[in-house]
Amino acid sequence: NAGVMQNPRHLVRRRGQEARLRCSPMKGHSHVYWYRQLPEEGLKFMVYLQKENIIDESGMPKERFSAEFPKEGPSILRIQQVVRGDSAAYFCASSPFNTEAFFGQGTRLTVV
Amino acid sequence: ELKVEQNPLFLSMQEGKNYTIYCNYSTTSDRLYWYRQDPGKSLESLFVLLSNGAVKQEGRLMASLDTKARLSTLHITAAVHDLSATYFCAVEYTQGGSEKLVFGKGTKLTVNP
Repeated sequence: NAGVMQNPRHLVRRRGQEARLRCSPMKGHSHVYWYRQLPEEGLKFMVYLQKENIIDESGMPKERFSAEFPKEGPSILRIQQVVRGDSAAYFCASSPFNTEAFFGQGTRLTVV
Repeated sequence: ELKVEQNPLFLSMQEGKNYTIYCNYSTTSDRLYWYRQDPGKSLESLFVLLSNGAVKQEGRLMASLDTKARLSTLHITAAVHDLSATYFCAVEYTQGGSEKLVFGKGTKLTVNP
């Protein structure tokens, strides 16, 4: 059973471009969480999704950020018109229900 | 809103010494986690603590939970260089059908020979 798979591992974007981060949860996991880690800081919750539903997006910036978890395929975190302040590591975690979530390797986004 | 405070944020130890990292949280929670993170890497789950008085040990690390005091500790015994990493506690927060982890800022541990 493969772990939580995130890709790409590293992503470089110029200011104003779009970034798409993908997360394939572990098999049998229907809950996906996205967290952001700024340099030298802890992880901060962004969004919690179940298949085709956003359960809690209270940690998502109001503009430019969106997330989805379609019926088929990976969860996508999309950042439009990236700015330097978006540079961070973005981690995805998945879980079945009401148990420990497992983290992926993360995507390190650099905005130049 | 749940707040999680870790201290110290930076810890420099000599090999062979003992030390404790503290994690305080502000509201009731069902689960508390300790993670290890090496530079540029993901989170490695160390311990999951579920109930008051829970104590878990793995090698030189021991974690405990006091839900009444809303305090968890991560104790390091006879530190070795390989333990150098950043350690995070994270508290599960459930509200209104949502659940998420709230992380402390992390403790960057350096073990010197």
